[in-house]
This record gives sequence, structure tokens and C-alpha cells, in this order.
Amino acid sequence: EVQLVESGGGLVKPGGSLRLSCAASGFTFSSYSMNWVRQAPGKGLEWVSSISSSSSYIYYADSVKGRFTISRDNAKNSLYLQMNSLRAEDTAVYYCARNRGLRDYMDVWGKGTTVTVSS
Amino acid sequence: DIVMTQTPLSLSVTPGQPASISCKSSQSLLHSDGKTYLYWYLQKPGQSPQLLIYEVSNRFSGVPDRFSGSGSGTDFTLKISRVEAEDVGVYYCMQSIQLPLIFGQGTKLEIK
Repeated sequence: EVQLVESGGGLVKPGGSLRLSCAASGFTFSSYSMNWVRQAPGKGLEWVSSISSSSSYIYYADSVKGRFTISRDNAKNSLYLQMNSLRAEDTAVYYCARNRGLRDYMDVWGKGTTVTVSS
Repeated sequence: DIVMTQTPLSLSVTPGQPASISCKSSQSLLHSDGKTYLYWYLQKPGQSPQLLIYEVSNRFSGVPDRFSGSGSGTDFTLKISRVEAEDVGVYYCMQSIQLPLIFGQGTKLEIK
């Protein structure tokens, strides 16, 4: 079964750090680009970051650029999001999702992991 | 950045009746490769988003044929020919022709 499972969310104070992980299974992880998309409580979907299959291309939303770092380990079938200097507005459910190429549709999504930034 | 505007933001539909959602982009989503990078997703209550339509009008695997997408350039429409109870949730259009990837605000569909 094709699956993405996020982990690493939690409660963190403003200015703190958190590292999210996304474990992939059931498909050839190294053949897909990967993405992080977040959803603040009661709000819509917001793209956060994308990484190409070989990590050659990496992109960020302006709202997280310089604070978040996306990475992947194809040997471990895992995607990561290192989040530093967290702000209250980063509070959201974070989903990982795959696509064939950076413009292609995201066809498999994880269930998400919740990040709460609060003092 | 491209702006994606969905209308309406909410709609209430009687089962068996049709529904239509509009999505307008501030720039053409037609790429020089001939593809139009417009997608439709549905987020059912308590679930992660699921892909319905890709490249304007192509139903994703397993999506019922009561869902259809149309449009070109900057104007797009998602239609449900006969709404069923399982169709409740929030529908999002999304563009990927350029970064940042942008989702529409979402349209909440409820059943009367």
C-alpha cells in the first residue's frame, strides 16, 4: 500500500525548533518529488516547500524561507522539514505529499502532523 | 504571485442535484509545454486532501464520473452532476504553473 506517514509534530515555544519527518512506503520514493503543505486551524491549504527527487531543486514559500529547511534521504525513504525560529503563525497541520515532478499533481498525501507554537 | 479566486465559498446542495464551483486565476495557467496546471482537490471532514481532477479536466483514478472539470486559461469550473452525501467537504483548486504553488480559498459543500 502506498503510504506517507508524518511525525514529529508537537507543542513548541515561539523561537523554538522542530523537525518533522515523513516516512514513505509502498512506492519508489526516489522517483518522486516531495512537498510539505500546511493548514492552519480553520484555514485553507498553504504550500510550504518542495524538493525534487534527487534534491537538486528545492523551493520554499516566502513565509518560511530562511527558517525552514526541507531535505530527504532516499536510502531511508524519508522526507524532513527542519523548522527553526518558529512563530505562532506556523501553527498548523503539516502534510507531506508526493508528485512525479514539481509541477505535477500531488496524488498521495499523509494524514498530517500537528505543530502548535505557543508560549 | 498568482491569485486563485474560488466562488462560491460555500454551497448547500440537495442530494441528486448538481453543483458547480468556479476558480479564476490572475494569470493564465497554460504552460508552453501545452499543459494547463490546474488541479482540484477535495478535503473531506477530518481527512487530508485528495486529488479529484488534474490538468483541468482529467479525473484521477477512482474518482466518480459525476465529477468533471472544464475551463482554460484563467477560468475553470468543477461540476458535480448529482451530489451525494459523501461529497461533503472543502474543494480547493490549485495552480502549479509557477511558484509559489497556490490554492484557492476553498469552497465548502454541505448537503441540505
